[in-house]
Amino acid sequence: ETGVTQTPRHLVMGMTNKKSLKCEQHLGHNAMYWYKQSAKKPLELMFVYNFKEQTENNSVPSRFSPECPNSSHLFLHLHTLQPEDSALYLCASSQDRAGTAYNEQFFGPGTRLTVL
Amino acid sequence: GNSVTQMEGPVTLSEEAFLTINCTYTATGYPSLFWYVQYPGEGLQLLLKATKADDKGSNKGFEATYRKETTSFHLEKGSVQVSDSAVYFCALIKNTGNQFYFGTGTSLTVIP
Repeated sequence: ETGVTQTPRHLVMGMTNKKSLKCEQHLGHNAMYWYKQSAKKPLELMFVYNFKEQTENNSVPSRFSPECPNSSHLFLHLHTLQPEDSALYLCASSQDRAGTAYNEQFFGPGTRLTVL
Repeated sequence: GNSVTQMEGPVTLSEEAFLTINCTYTATGYPSLFWYVQYPGEGLQLLLKATKADDKGSNKGFEATYRKETTSFHLEKGSVQVSDSAVYFCALIKNTGNQFYFGTGTSLTVIP
């Protein structure tokens, strides 16, 4: 039990669909992250939220839209995706991003996304 | 820029063999270094970390030493078990920032 849960675990969607990924952390953390994990590539940081405020957006296409309604929940809304967006999407949380150099990040199990 | 390079896999070893997974980094300043492990079907878990030069991180029989002179943080274990089969990620975080930089991961399979 990592304390970070993600749903769904697997998702298959067409290019015209709209879907959402959900992440929930039960650790009392203040920072949450979305990563994209593709085969043979380093993990790509997509978005960072600290105290519900988005603090980083690493040049992610607008077809990915994050939402953080509170410090415990993070969503990734998906629309008009491309087949190359197929990947494992990982959510993570850490205690407090601001002012600390090496917060350990706790990861969820990921959502395996396939775009047809 | 900041980056992490780790040896490509997959790596296949027999049980009780010695393991080394190489990791080198490029960073400005003085980063902290980490090894994360991802077991099948799960997210990444912190395995060990080192926050300054010459520190040795250790956990579950795994060790890695922060070598500033060679910019390396190689992961070692003296005797691997089947249960160590997983993907291992080397990562760094700059002490002046909070973004993690991960390597591509090295898949390890241990056979009985």
